[in-house]
Amino acid sequence: EPEVTQTPSHQVTQMGQEVILRCVPISNHLYFYWYRQILGQKVEFLVSFYNNEISEKSEIFDDQFSVERPDGSNFTLKIRSTKLEDSAMYFCASSPGTASYNEQFFGPGTRLTVL
Amino acid sequence: ELKVEQNPLFLSMQEGKNYTIYCNYSTTSDRLYWYRQDPGKSLESLFVLLSNGAVKQEGRLMASLDTKARLSTLHITAAVHDLSATYFCAGPRGNQFYFGTGTSLTVIP
Repeated sequence: EPEVTQTPSHQVTQMGQEVILRCVPISNHLYFYWYRQILGQKVEFLVSFYNNEISEKSEIFDDQFSVERPDGSNFTLKIRSTKLEDSAMYFCASSPGTASYNEQFFGPGTRLTVL
Repeated sequence: ELKVEQNPLFLSMQEGKNYTIYCNYSTTSDRLYWYRQDPGKSLESLFVLLSNGAVKQEGRLMASLDTKARLSTLHITAAVHDLSATYFCAGPRGNQFYFGTGTSLTVIP
C-alpha cells in the first residue's frame, strides 16, 4: 500500500541553524501538507501546497518557514533559523484532492530537536 | 476556522469497561476523521465519517457523526490494554485539517 515517507526520522540542530525536512508524498496525490506537534500537544496545521503554490498557511508559518517541491517526488519544509520553540514532531501529509473532501495520509514524522 | 474540542483529555479505564470519547466542533462540517497515535509515532487513520448519521465499527471501537449537533463520538467496548493510545478527531475546513486536543487513553489491567 502506498505511503508517505519522511526523512530524517530525527534531526538535532543548534539554534539559529537552517534545517530541511523531507517528505515523499503518495505518488498520485495532488495536495501536500505540513503539520507540527509540540510534545504532549495537539497537531497544528502549518501549510498546504497545491500546483506548486502555497494554498493555505497558518499564523505559525512565518517568514522563517518555506516549502518547496524541488522535483516530481519530494516535498520539503525549510526552517531558516531555528528557534528552541521549533522543537516538535513535524508530519507531512498528502491527499488526492482538497482537504475538504479527501482524507489526508500522514507520514511517520520527523522529530526536530533544537538545542 | 474550525474549533474542535474533545473530552475527556485524559481517560483511565479498566479492562473490560465501556466508555465514550466526545468530539465537538464549532461550525458545520459534513465529515470527520478519527486518528490514533501511539507515543512518538505517527497518526493512524481509524475512521472516516462522511455524512450525518454515519456509524463505523472496527473491532472494539465504534465512531458516529451527528452533523446537526456538531458532535462525533468514539465508543470503546470492553477495553483492552492494546487500545491505550491518544485519540484525535479532526475536521476539514478549507485546505487543512483542524485537530482536537486529543484524548489520552490508558487501559488498566
